[in-house]
Amino acid sequence: QQQVKQSPQSLIVQKGGISIINCAYENTAFDYFPWYQQFPGKGPALLIAIRPDVSEKKEGRFTISFNKSAKQFSLHIMDSQPGDSATYFCAASRSGGGADGLTFGKGTHLIIQP
Amino acid sequence: DSGVTQTPKHLITATGQRVTLRCSPRSGDLSVYWYQQSLDQGLQFLIHYYNGEERAKGNILERFSAQQFPDLHSELNLSSLELGDSALYFCASSVGSLGSTDTQYFGPGTRLTVL
Repeated sequence: QQQVKQSPQSLIVQKGGISIINCAYENTAFDYFPWYQQFPGKGPALLIAIRPDVSEKKEGRFTISFNKSAKQFSLHIMDSQPGDSATYFCAASRSGGGADGLTFGKGTHLIIQP
Repeated sequence: DSGVTQTPKHLITATGQRVTLRCSPRSGDLSVYWYQQSLDQGLQFLIHYYNGEERAKGNILERFSAQQFPDLHSELNLSSLELGDSALYFCASSVGSLGSTDTQYFGPGTRLTVL
């Protein structure tokens, strides 16, 4: 059972455009939603994260939008640059309890065309 | 550089063999997580250790085991290896016992190839 569904699998955006990646989760116990960026040959690196008490969080060109009732969250990359070309993973986890690891989406391969 | 180190970078072995992957967390981090990344399954959580104690298990096979030592480094042991175990294995570290909602910093990974 895939608890975090991510779309699209791949995305091509022109330089300067907006990249949008969507995720949906099933487990209502999730209360932490990070996005990770991974370059080839590297480990994932935290980009931005949100908790469900806010509907939006912005850091530079990166914004997370969160819809608790729909159990969906998305990553917007404004003014997309070729250096943003990477694989992006959404994830979710729950605090407390057994301290489970992150549940990841399948990833989105983003290509920014110059 | 996340500050998390993993060795070896690459490992090639045969079916039926046993290997050990090593991870050193960032200075001051008490939690270590292990993840497996494969093309078909994506990134999957295997196991979490906090200050030497196992805290949570994910999709970890019985052939796999892990431990965290007093100096906080961790080892993931994979035995009776099968072709399907070929994957990237990442460890991540975080500061505290809340763990999953602390920022997890990932190492560069170990690429395991089982022939």
